[in-house]
Amino acid sequence: DAKTTQPNSMESNEEEPVHLPCNHSTISGTDYIHWYRQLPSQGPEYVIHGLTSNVNNRMASLAIAEDRKSSTLILHRATLRDAAVYYCILRMGTYKYIFGTGTRLKVLA
Amino acid sequence: SQTIHQWPATLVQPVGSPLSLECTVEGTSNPNLYWYRQAAGRGLQLLFYSVGIGQISSEVPQNLSASRPQDRQFILSSKKLLLSDSGFYLCAWIPRNALSSGNTIYFGEGSWLTVV
Repeated sequence: DAKTTQPNSMESNEEEPVHLPCNHSTISGTDYIHWYRQLPSQGPEYVIHGLTSNVNNRMASLAIAEDRKSSTLILHRATLRDAAVYYCILRMGTYKYIFGTGTRLKVLA
Repeated sequence: SQTIHQWPATLVQPVGSPLSLECTVEGTSNPNLYWYRQAAGRGLQLLFYSVGIGQISSEVPQNLSASRPQDRQFILSSKKLLLSDSGFYLCAWIPRNALSSGNTIYFGEGSWLTVV
């Protein structure tokens, strides 16, 4: 199964942009790249997803490398409420969503 | 609207006792259903997924089992709990008609299980 690799933790100052990287060198051509985030004692919530092209929504932007072996989640202006564990995951085939250990983002006031 | 319900929210069980966690989805039909577990300070581990009634795929051999007796009902069970079964259990679903578009997976609120 393809897997993802993320840094264990990152810090950012409030109101500054944050770039969260993810490596997925074994990704296949049909695997979608999804990002979720999880607040303490809650289920993960959807952030953004993409296949080949860069994607933007109200929460974040997703930049996908041309070879699709890595991607970056971009939070344009971090707030204290963005402090969470961010998961980069691959949807493998039609049914399986495999989560890695994620990146714990700390936002400094 | 589509919602997912998971219960109980919290439970404390002695080692060797049985377990039953239940999850139901409303407002949709024939969803894909999932059980994940998260040990303290760890990532999410996929335990089981189901693409239809009575169809269960197990990802990790362990002390747990899953069943799908109805289209929108997914149950996680154990006959005898171990200390290592403690964790945060999450039920999740994907709409059947969204599978081809890479759509999102939706999670319930989770169940905290402490085995003592």
